[in-house]
Amino acid sequence: ILNVEQSPQSLHVQEGDSTNFTCSFPSSNFYALHWYRWETAKSPEALFVMTLNGDEKKKGRISATLNTKEGYSYLYIKGSQPEDSATYLCATNFGNEKLTFGTGTRLTIIP
Amino acid sequence: GAGVSQSPSNKVTEKGKDVELRCDPISGHTALYWYRQRLGQGLEFLIYFQGNSAPDKSGLPSDRFSAERTGESVSTLTIQRTQQEDSAVYLCASSINWGALGYTFGSGTRLTVV
Repeated sequence: ILNVEQSPQSLHVQEGDSTNFTCSFPSSNFYALHWYRWETAKSPEALFVMTLNGDEKKKGRISATLNTKEGYSYLYIKGSQPEDSATYLCATNFGNEKLTFGTGTRLTIIP
Repeated sequence: GAGVSQSPSNKVTEKGKDVELRCDPISGHTALYWYRQRLGQGLEFLIYFQGNSAPDKSGLPSDRFSAERTGESVSTLTIQRTQQEDSAVYLCASSINWGALGYTFGSGTRLTVV
């Protein structure tokens, strides 16, 4: 069984504060690591895809890092805003075509 | 189309009835995936179509579940004799081909079995 684990399950952050959460995965047979943001009643939105150990990606106030040797990725949000409230999903391919998802981190920004 | 379209967006059905969920992928995307998320759980893979190859049905939870895809276009997911544990958000995604770095998801069908 290939497990993708995310922590914490949920998080409340004061507006303006920065935060981060973790995705861990088996490092063997790694192909790619994906981060999605999923707002209620909307489609999951692709944030980042990373393939190489040491990759860092950034989009505005959100960034992500990847360590394929130890099997983890961090997602960082700087200066949280109410619109950042969502569930953040990570997923990996494990060398085959279908993504295996974690259970997500539900982020709530408190105004 | 411009995005992945799913219908209906919400469906409430009585236990024991059959339901059919529809997915229109992005034009030109050869790969199509169905996932579901039950309350408090992660996204669970159901089935995957790639072009004209035999689909990967390894995620279907029981023989009450089936899916079809016509060529590289519309897919339907059918659940027969629905049970309460089938209640979930059913998501469809497409990608340009196998191994593509990223899926485009639809907004899902929320199925409630009462």
